[in-house]
Amino acid sequence: NAGVMQNPRHLVRRRGQEARLRCSPMKGHSHVYWYRQLPEEGLKFMVYLQKENIIDESGMPKERFSAEFPKEGPSILRIQQVVRGDSAAYFCASSRIGQGIMNTEAFFGQGTRLTVV
Amino acid sequence: QKEVEQNSGPLSVPEGAIASLNCTYSDRGSQSFFWYRQYSGKSPELIMFIYSNGDKEDGRFTAQLNKASQYVSLLIRDSQPSDSATYLCAVIIRGGSEKLVFGKGTKLTVNP
Repeated sequence: NAGVMQNPRHLVRRRGQEARLRCSPMKGHSHVYWYRQLPEEGLKFMVYLQKENIIDESGMPKERFSAEFPKEGPSILRIQQVVRGDSAAYFCASSRIGQGIMNTEAFFGQGTRLTVV
Repeated sequence: QKEVEQNSGPLSVPEGAIASLNCTYSDRGSQSFFWYRQYSGKSPELIMFIYSNGDKEDGRFTAQLNKASQYVSLLIRDSQPSDSATYLCAVIIRGGSEKLVFGKGTKLTVNP
């Protein structure tokens, strides 16, 4: 859905560098979710955030990965000291209220394709 | 058991046929179920959601839910080549927060 904006669309990083992925949710949406997708794989949940709060980070690797959703500005997924295994498509989704509430749809951005060389 | 399981396929059907996609889930308390379509290299787009047992129809798409069997399916009638994509089943899983968990997807090819 064009309403959720992710940038950059493509990102190339050398091993050991940092990657910063940005996600601006749809207008009026205060819930953001990050997913990772490897080639030919499904979407793997990483983290669920509301403004200034991490609600669920059970899918985040313990090291090198962090996420934030500040009061102002986009949500950021940060990967420090990238390795080749981090190469994947990273998708952000947003919803107006939490996904546990019926009739709440989550809309996806176009994704960021990270390539680590 | 994985939280959401789908037959990975690939599934191939002729144009005009009915395509049937299946999904099972592990959380007996799940209440919300979604089908997303993802074209190669693109982002997932929501095509159907269902919350109640039974069938829900939207155009050529019908979602079916059986909570007792923990089973949800998607039928695509009069399949078209443009329906060729990967179909992702997603379920709201409880426990802590309520997050949307995806199956690995079923790749569908509709042959002209």
